[in-house]
Order: sequence, then structure tokens, then C-alpha cells
Amino acid sequence: GAVVSQHPSWVICKSGTSVKIECRSLDFQATTMFWYRQFPKQSLMLMATSNEGSKATYEQGVEKDKFLINHASLTLSTLTVTSAHPEDSSFYICSARRGQGDGSPLHFGNGTRLTVT
Amino acid sequence: GENVEQHPSTLSVQEGDSAVIKCTYSDSASNYFPWYKQELGKGPQLIIDIRSNVGEKKDQRIAVTLNKTAKHFSLHITETQPEDSAVYFCAASMGSWGKLQFGAGTQVVVTP
Repeated sequence: GAVVSQHPSWVICKSGTSVKIECRSLDFQATTMFWYRQFPKQSLMLMATSNEGSKATYEQGVEKDKFLINHASLTLSTLTVTSAHPEDSSFYICSARRGQGDGSPLHFGNGTRLTVT
Repeated sequence: GENVEQHPSTLSVQEGDSAVIKCTYSDSASNYFPWYKQELGKGPQLIIDIRSNVGEKKDQRIAVTLNKTAKHFSLHITETQPEDSAVYFCAASMGSWGKLQFGAGTQVVVTP
């Protein structure tokens, strides 16, 4: 079964509004979660690394003021797309590691389809 | 940084035949290579992974091989079934804690 839960699975919003996406690790604690973005028929692009209790680390080219990440607990990370525009429409996917040691695989949520009109 | 190339981009196979997807990586420091299966509208699902101290790993109909010298690794699916149809991604990182660099993906279509 799924070990990472993402909500909502899809959302439609108007241009200029903000949208929050939640990522939860189920029955395990995740000190680090990752947020990815995926355009149709393309690969996954890492946006940022979410660290519990500290600021997220953003990849080059990702606007931290536009994509706000909050990792307030060991089981929850949120991504807020602020002042969304049509070009932000995409598939957003979070992931988390189950386990502490090296060799712990990365598990992904089922993604959130964001459509900005 | 790491660069992962994946081939082919699409692969059509007859049910029961084998499918092979190949990936190459650029950073010799990478030592963890997972494979993910992504069905339409869903997140990627880990199907198998391999570490650089192992040359081959098998799990039922799925196997992965790694050639560290040549810096390439491959996914083999035997006795393919229609439910194997999906997009498959390879990835590489330095340690399973490192950031994953994904290949471009392979659309596999298994026809009955």
C-alpha cells in the first residue's frame, strides 16, 4: 500500500490565487521530503528538498517565494503555490524516505494535478 | 552534476516477450540506481533498485544489471503482461540519501 499520501489529487484554481498541497508520510517519520514537478510526457524535475524544522533547499531556477514549502512535522510537508499562473499548471509530486540508514528507498505520493485557469 | 540518459523513449512489445530499457550515467560517484514505474495520473512506484557493489539483482520477472566500468545499467522485464504497460524511469544518486537524477523515461506498451 501507499506509504506517502498526497492531497488533493487534483485542483483547479483561478490565476492569482494560492494553492496548498499536502504530503504526508504514513506510519513512518520523514525528516526529509522532496517536491518534484512533472510536465506532460516529461521526466520528474526536483524543485526542492524539504527539511523538518528548517528552511527548504531549492533547486536552481525555482523561485522560493513562489513555491513556499513548510515541513512543520516529521510526517507532513506542504507546498504552497502562491499567486498561481497558467504556466504553473503541472503535476506536483512529493516523496519521502522510509527508514534512516543508507539503502532506504524513496517513495512517492500519487501526485497533485494543478490546473490554473 | 549527474546526467542520466535513458533509451529507448518508447518500447512496444508483444505479450510474453522481454523488454529491456537502458540507462547511462555520467558521475562515477553515483552508487544507487532505482527504477520506477509510473502509470497514467499516478506517482512513480519503486519496482527495483541496485547498489554499485552489486552487478545484478532480480525480483520475479524484473531484473536490473549494472556495469560500473561502462557506467550503464539496464532494466529487464521478462514474460511481459499488459499490466506492465507504463512509463519507466531510471535514476541515479550518490547514496540512497542523495538527490535522485531521473532519466527521461520509457513508455512501454505491451500488446496482447
